[in-house]
Amino acid sequence: EIVLTQSPGTLSLSPGERATLSCRASQTVSINYLAWYQQKPGQAPRILISGTSNRATGIPDRFSGGGSGTDFTLTISRLEPEDFAVYYCQQYDNSPWTFGQGTKVEI
Amino acid sequence: QVQLQESGPGLVKPSETLSLTCTVSGGSISSYYWSWIRQPPGKGLEWIGYIFYSGSTNYNPSLKSRVTISLDMSNNQFSLMLTSLTAADTAVYFCARARWAVAGPSFDSWGQGTLVTVS
Repeated sequence: EIVLTQSPGTLSLSPGERATLSCRASQTVSINYLAWYQQKPGQAPRILISGTSNRATGIPDRFSGGGSGTDFTLTISRLEPEDFAVYYCQQYDNSPWTFGQGTKVEI
Repeated sequence: QVQLQESGPGLVKPSETLSLTCTVSGGSISSYYWSWIRQPPGKGLEWIGYIFYSGSTNYNPSLKSRVTISLDMSNNQFSLMLTSLTAADTAVYFCARARWAVAGPSFDSWGQGTLVTVS
């Protein structure tokens, strides 16, 4: 099983600041099979990024993803008030599909 | 725009079996992977398994002995059965569609989630 470890656990920032979220895999994940989700309280997760760096439909360009091998990053260039949420990385490369434990971005 | 909606009991007794159904509307159940994912209160996401429209399944080994996912194409639904429940199975259960796109796979559509309490 591929274990995804996200850091930091919590990121305390202000609107307008840059957020950098890390996702480290216990073994190599193909860039095609790494995705990022955003979850707000009481809601289902929402897809942000697939294939490491491809924004989903309707996702603003302040969200960007990158990385390769075992290290992946989600960057939010300038935080908007609606971006404060929990973010999860997820891999589809090996079964079982696994999620990271999440990074909370708080004000 | 495809929509997914979970249905089932909110409270189940320990040792019993949980049955949940996900109804898919606004699109066909063909050509996608249909998954169940759960989230214990205040915790992260756990993938339970999927069923492909062809009927093939893949389960998380941590739950494999207790899980069955099935498909009802005539009603555009898929279902989850989880046996021998314990308090550790208390969670919000989401159904979701996994789409394999050129840009990479993703869970691109989700149900709103249903809280199942084992007590």
